[in-house]
Amino acid sequence: DVVMTQSPLSLTVTLGQPASISCRSSQSLVYSDENNYLNWFQQRPGQSPRRLIYKVSNRDSGVPDRFSGSGSGTDFTLKISRVEAEDVGVYYCMQGTHWPYSFGQGTKLEIK
Amino acid sequence: EVQLMESGGGLVQPGGSLRLSCAASGFTFRSYWMTWVRQAPGKGLEWVANINQDGSERQYGGSVKGRFTVSRDNPKNSLYLQMNSLRAEDTAVYYCTRDPYQDESGSYYFGAFDIWGQGTTVTVS
Repeated sequence: DVVMTQSPLSLTVTLGQPASISCRSSQSLVYSDENNYLNWFQQRPGQSPRRLIYKVSNRDSGVPDRFSGSGSGTDFTLKISRVEAEDVGVYYCMQGTHWPYSFGQGTKLEIK
Repeated sequence: EVQLMESGGGLVQPGGSLRLSCAASGFTFRSYWMTWVRQAPGKGLEWVANINQDGSERQYGGSVKGRFTVSRDNPKNSLYLQMNSLRAEDTAVYYCTRDPYQDESGSYYFGAFDIWGQGTTVTVS
């Protein structure tokens, strides 16, 4: 099974400062169609998860453009250019290239 | 409004059974793969099972394979998860999610769960 490893597991950021979360997979996520099926989800406190980004870098509608995703193969990154108070929560990467699908452990983002 | 609403959670003894339901509304349910994801207390997300549009394909995570069965009733816009031989480690919030999987143009969206329910809590004790 593919293991997804996120770092850091906890992140404390000052409002307005950038944040970056790394997600590494134990196998390449490049599928036969040359796409990487790597998705990012946000879970705010007390809420259900919400999709932020799909296929590495495609932002969902309603997701602020301060969120961006990048990477390929085994190495992926979620970046927030300027953290806002509403960004507090846990962020998960998830691979869909290989069965069974697998999530990273989650990265908890807090505001300083 | 596109919505998923889970029900059926509760307290069950180890070795017992429970059936979760997920009612879908606001979209063409029969056109989508559907997935169950769970979250143990204070823990991360775990993919549990998914099912294709007509129920002919089903996949399960290793920790539930052989004990859980995912099914759907398209005329009723409903997704189900039959959970047997429950263990303490199955205690979690269970989320129903919509799985785009593949669109009309043939593009894939593996694992890109775009709609989530509010979750239903299962406690095995």
